[in-house]
Amino acid sequence: DGGITQSPKYLFRKEGQNVTLSCEQNLNHDAMYWYRQDPGQGLRLIYYSQIVNDFQKGDIAEGYSVSREKKESFPLTVTSAQKNPTAFYLCASSIQIASRETQYFGPGTRLLVL
Amino acid sequence: QKEVEQNSGPLSVPEGAIASLNCTYSDRVSQSFFWYRQYSGKSPELIMSIYSNGDKEDGRFTAQLNKASQYVSLLIRDSQPSDSATYLCAVNLGFGNEKLTFGTGTRLTIIP
Repeated sequence: DGGITQSPKYLFRKEGQNVTLSCEQNLNHDAMYWYRQDPGQGLRLIYYSQIVNDFQKGDIAEGYSVSREKKESFPLTVTSAQKNPTAFYLCASSIQIASRETQYFGPGTRLLVL
Repeated sequence: QKEVEQNSGPLSVPEGAIASLNCTYSDRVSQSFFWYRQYSGKSPELIMSIYSNGDKEDGRFTAQLNKASQYVSLLIRDSQPSDSATYLCAVNLGFGNEKLTFGTGTRLTIIP
């Protein structure tokens, strides 16, 4: 059963704590992305990775870090430097067909600050 | 100026009518255009993609693209209550640029 999985569904962070959100895909997609969605707002790109061991900052990378050690996995760490982390975090992966790229999303992780 | 703009709504449409959602974008070199549907509390689901000027139909959905006027629209025919959701417009802002830029979404409510 192919798809994109994210865990956990809900995550609670204490002040000063780093937390890691998991994203796994078995679609054999090369590129993976992390977005953040705040209420009433569109998706904003945090980080993306086109190939293993390489990633680039998106529009709002400050306070976040990522790694891409395996093609299937792209975990996101929300560090204590991110002062307003409460949001819905969405992982996506993409496939390129005939020079056209299409992104598909995982189910998301909702992060709340205690 | 926002790169991708959508009317936030809410847009209310009677069941069985046509829902029309609009999106404008600022960068003329944009190449790929997508419509995602997002139910409350859920992740976005791709429903349409369009790359060339004109109409593209898929079931009850029709995407329309006009690059000269820099707008893309989504029509939903025979609207159903299950179509009630937020619709996100996304644009790839340059050929070979893999990043998508999203609008803030239009909330659509189908009234039974």
